[in-house]
Amino acid sequence: DTGVSQNPRHKITKRGQNVTFRCDPISEHNRLYWYRQTLGQGPEFLTYFQNEAQLEKSRLLSDRFSAERPKGSFSTLEIQRTEQGDSAMYLCASSSPSGSSYNEQFFGPGTRLTVL
Amino acid sequence: GQQVMQIPQYQHVQEGEDFTTYCNSSTTLSNIQWYKQRPGGHPVFLIQLVKSGEVKKQKRLTFQFGEAKKNSSLHITATQTTDVGTYFCAGPGSGGSNYKLTFGKGTLLTVNP
Repeated sequence: DTGVSQNPRHKITKRGQNVTFRCDPISEHNRLYWYRQTLGQGPEFLTYFQNEAQLEKSRLLSDRFSAERPKGSFSTLEIQRTEQGDSAMYLCASSSPSGSSYNEQFFGPGTRLTVL
Repeated sequence: GQQVMQIPQYQHVQEGEDFTTYCNSSTTLSNIQWYKQRPGGHPVFLIQLVKSGEVKKQKRLTFQFGEAKKNSSLHITATQTTDVGTYFCAGPGSGGSNYKLTFGKGTLLTVNP
């Protein structure tokens, strides 16, 4: 499968615990994005990487959230001291640098986080 | 900041009826993308519109980008049960970033066979 993969697919945790999600983008894609989606809403931008550089981070993202893409390939998103309001689907997407600047984004299946 | 509004929020149709969803932006968009998300699935890219007044067709789907590049629409002719899902429009993010996307809330389409 050459699509975007995310692990785990589901995560249930207790409030106050830390969680980490992983995203493996399409191999030749240099741009990687994290979004959060709650029921009845569209995906909400969290952060964006070009290769290993984190170029943009949403103002909505609190200090408890951190993302890395150390080698410009896979990325991790960590949430520290989880809160019930963090419960959502966390989507990863990647896009290719070739062609138009306005590239389509390829989404992974997401990680559904439930904070108890 | 930039907002992308979509209407209607929900649309239920009988199979064979047409369907249209509308997207409006508070600012001029350099481009607009449309995505479809099946129930329990993830967003899947459908199309990107770049030019003012652009119209693109994909089989029974017709996409339009307004002359002022502030609105767009998706029209499905003769809906089928396979069209069920949420349709999102998305514009480039504010603050000079052309790469991140700002999504509308989507229109959930259900089709009665």
